Amino acid sequence: DSGVTQTPKHLITATGQRVTLRCSPRSGDLSVYWYQQSLDQGLQFLIQYYNGEERAKGNILERFSAQQFPDLHSELNLSSLELGDSALYFCASSGLTYEQYFGPGTRLTVT
Amino acid sequence: GIQVEQSPPDLILQEGANSTLRCNFSDSVNNLQWFHQNPWGQLINLFYIPSGTKQNGRLSATTVATERYSLLYISSSQTTDSGVYFCAVRQTQTGANNLFFGTGTRLTVIP
Repeated sequence: DSGVTQTPKHLITATGQRVTLRCSPRSGDLSVYWYQQSLDQGLQFLIQYYNGEERAKGNILERFSAQQFPDLHSELNLSSLELGDSALYFCASSGLTYEQYFGPGTRLTVT
Repeated sequence: GIQVEQSPPDLILQEGANSTLRCNFSDSVNNLQWFHQNPWGQLINLFYIPSGTKQNGRLSATTVATERYSLLYISSSQTTDSGVYFCAVRQTQTGANNLFFGTGTRLTVIP
């Protein structure tokens, strides 16, 4: 158990819909990262938050957004979903050492 | 971004055999992590090893940062070692904290 929690574990939704994925980092970690794992793109970095502020952006689509709340949990919002958004979405957190610990992931299926 | 190449892409071993997985990266890094993704999709931290050698039970890893590669050794393999092994790096030059992942080595251990 990495100490990073993610909900829900699985999500099935239709094209055009909007979903919210939730992540709670390890106790004491201020940084939260979101990654997407798809069959064709592999594991790719989406976005990082540090203590509530956006710190870095990767290959995140404009239809996707995220935020980190004062209690440090984070949410990733995916809207106008397309079939190609089906993937495993991971949240990771890190502290002072920068070693990242990953949550169990949310498997999103868009039908 | 930085390129991360892993070899071999696939590996099939008899239980009890030893193996070496390789990770090459195209630029200087200040963080390197090895992960095991089990058949349930979980990413499990194996090593945080920006340089030097570490051992943990039957697993050990060596990173030679100046030559831009890392090796993961698995000895006396067991069926529970099956899964995909990922190398991920944090690029020094950009100052960003996100990880760039390789495409993985898929290991199958046969009883």
